Amino acid sequence: DAKTTQPTSMDCAEGRAANLPCNHSTISGNEYVYWYRQIHSQGPQYIIHGLKNNETNEMASLIITEDRKSSTLILPHATLRDTAVYYCIVRAIRSYNTDKLIFGTGTRLQVFP
Amino acid sequence: SAVISQKPSRDICQRGTSLTIQCQVDSQVTMMFWYRQQPGQSLTLIATANQGSEATYESGFVIDKFPISRPNLTFSTLTVSNMSPEDSSIYLCSATGLGNQPQHFGDGTRLSIL
Repeated sequence: DAKTTQPTSMDCAEGRAANLPCNHSTISGNEYVYWYRQIHSQGPQYIIHGLKNNETNEMASLIITEDRKSSTLILPHATLRDTAVYYCIVRAIRSYNTDKLIFGTGTRLQVFP
Repeated sequence: SAVISQKPSRDICQRGTSLTIQCQVDSQVTMMFWYRQQPGQSLTLIATANQGSEATYESGFVIDKFPISRPNLTFSTLTVSNMSPEDSSIYLCSATGLGNQPQHFGDGTRLSIL
C-alpha cells in the first residue's frame, strides 16, 4: 500500500471549516483514499473514502486532486467534538488479502472555542 | 454498519500471565483483524483472523505470543501470552462487512501489565 504524509497537528476555530491535507504521491490506480479519526479512548471511526471523484457524506467532504497524489478532508463546521487524530490511509481495491489498513501517524486536530 | 464489542474493556494483569480478549460482531463480516496501539502511538496491525484456519501474522508478531482464534464469522479472540510490561497497550479488533462496507473498529481493550 502507498505511503501517506500528513501534518503532525493542526488547529481550527469552532464553527470554521477544518481542512486536513494528505499527500499520497505514490498512490496506484487501484488504491482508494480512506479517512478515519480516533477520538481519545475510542477505536478509530470511519469517516469517508474515495477513488478519484470528490465525495461527501454527513460527516465530511473528501477532495482528491486530479492526479490523485493528494487529498483534503473537509469538516465544514468544526465542533469541539471533532477534536481527534485524523488518519489518511490508501488501500487497494478490496480483494481477499488486501483489506488490511496500515495506519500512519495521522494529524492531531485541535478545535478551540 | 457493524457494531463491534470487545471484552474486557480494560484489565490490569501480572507479568507472566496470559489474557484472552474477545471480539463479537453483531452481523456477518468477511474479514476480522487485530491491532495494537502502544501508548502515544498509532495503530499497528498484529494479524488477520481467518475463519477456521490459522491467523495471518504481520512481521514482528508470532502465534506463540498472540494466538488468535476465529471459530465463526462473527467472533474472534486474541490471547496475549506470558505478558510483560512492554505488552501494556490498547488492543483493538476490527471487521469488514459484506459488500463494499468499510472496516469498523471496536473501542479496544486497555491492558496494563504490572
